Amino acid sequence: AQKVTQAQTEISVVEKEDVTLDCVYETRDTTYYLFWYKQPPSGELVFLIRRNSFDEQNEISGRYSWNFQKSTSSFNFTITASQVVDSAVYFCALSEEASSGSARQLTFGSGTQLTVLP
Amino acid sequence: DAGVTQSPTHLIKTRGQQVTLRCSPKSGHDTVSWYQQALGQGPQFIFQYYEEEERQRGNFPDRFSGHQFPNYSSELNVNALLLGDSALYLCASSLEGGSGNTIYFGEGSWLTVV
Repeated sequence: AQKVTQAQTEISVVEKEDVTLDCVYETRDTTYYLFWYKQPPSGELVFLIRRNSFDEQNEISGRYSWNFQKSTSSFNFTITASQVVDSAVYFCALSEEASSGSARQLTFGSGTQLTVLP
Repeated sequence: DAGVTQSPTHLIKTRGQQVTLRCSPKSGHDTVSWYQQALGQGPQFIFQYYEEEERQRGNFPDRFSGHQFPNYSSELNVNALLLGDSALYLCASSLEGGSGNTIYFGEGSWLTVV
């Protein structure tokens, strides 16, 4: 069975600080996808990034960066120079890969509530 | 390019009633999934539809049923509502066979059962 653990329930930082959100996953599949989503109070899950299991190249996108390490089953997310607008709940999710190459059902972690104070 | 749209946004039902939630996938997407998110928790997978058939199902009772139409839109039906069914219901869409396809979510339907 698949499992995603986000051990940090809540994180509070002051604006302009860097913050890292942790994600550890469990799966027996050799190919899978990992996702990060942001959920503001409105409820919509906003897609941030998808990573394939065979692609361990880390990525930077503006103030966001991701560190994927298969050896430790971790897919951590860092926000550099945080802003008040980054305040939201962040979810890490895992999906198996179907034979067609498509993602299947997502297994979510319990989320991390990030609060950025001015 | 329209994203995933859901209706209604909010609704209140009485225990024992039935509810239907609707979803239109992102343009070009053919696969629709439904998730239930209770307050303070991560979303839980209900089921996925592709080519008008239920392809995968999570651990939800038969009171939860769905349908996908030829235009790829979808409905989620919940019968005999319980207080515990109160949650945010999220619809997600994706493209089958896409290269590591991305899954997009709508804003959800907030259901309150009283």
